[in-house]
Amino acid sequence: DQQVKQNSPSLSVQEGRISILNCDYTNSMFDYFLWYKKYPAEGPTFLISISSIKDKNEDGRFTVFLNKSAKHLSLHIVPSQPGDSAVYFCAAHSAGNMLTFGGGTRLMVKP
Amino acid sequence: NAGVTQTPKFQVLKTGQSMTLQCAQDMNHEYMSWYRQDPGMGLRLIHYSVGAGITDQGEVPNGYNVSRSTTEDFPLRLLSAAPSQTSVYFCASSYDRNSPLHFGNGTRLTVT
Repeated sequence: DQQVKQNSPSLSVQEGRISILNCDYTNSMFDYFLWYKKYPAEGPTFLISISSIKDKNEDGRFTVFLNKSAKHLSLHIVPSQPGDSAVYFCAAHSAGNMLTFGGGTRLMVKP
Repeated sequence: NAGVTQTPKFQVLKTGQSMTLQCAQDMNHEYMSWYRQDPGMGLRLIHYSVGAGITDQGEVPNGYNVSRSTTEDFPLRLLSAAPSQTSVYFCASSYDRNSPLHFGNGTRLTVT
């Protein structure tokens, strides 16, 4: 049973608009969450993270929100750019334990 | 500074063959790991190492072996390839197991 789920396999948005990527988890022991971005033929690269003691973390155009009661996190990209088109993976772990990844969401930003 | 280097980029094997996927990092990271990526399933941990001489199993270790004789290198061995091992394999490293991972560019393996 997947402990981290990204229920939308793909998302298409217009350049300049907001992209919202969602992620749900089931393990209440998870206390650290990360987003990775992956371009074709490359490895994933770390994008942004959030600790369970926070509910928001911002880095430029990227903001991650964490709702612990709902076991839900989301990644907001504002404004979206064509170069943001990639597969986004959310991941979670508890201290000292292995990282668990979601299945990924393919974002397409149209010019 | 090359980061995490994986070789080969592509490989085709016949069922039953063995091979080693190479992974090297030049960041002096203690933690290294191997993942496989399959459609819709994200990345699943195969094996990991918290330092030279120390390895442990991840979520999907069956059919794979690892060793960590140096800090820099973490090869993944397929003992007897099966079609179910057709996948894209990523090696990753980090300062420690709680730090963000640095990934290589992957090895696409096909087993026929």
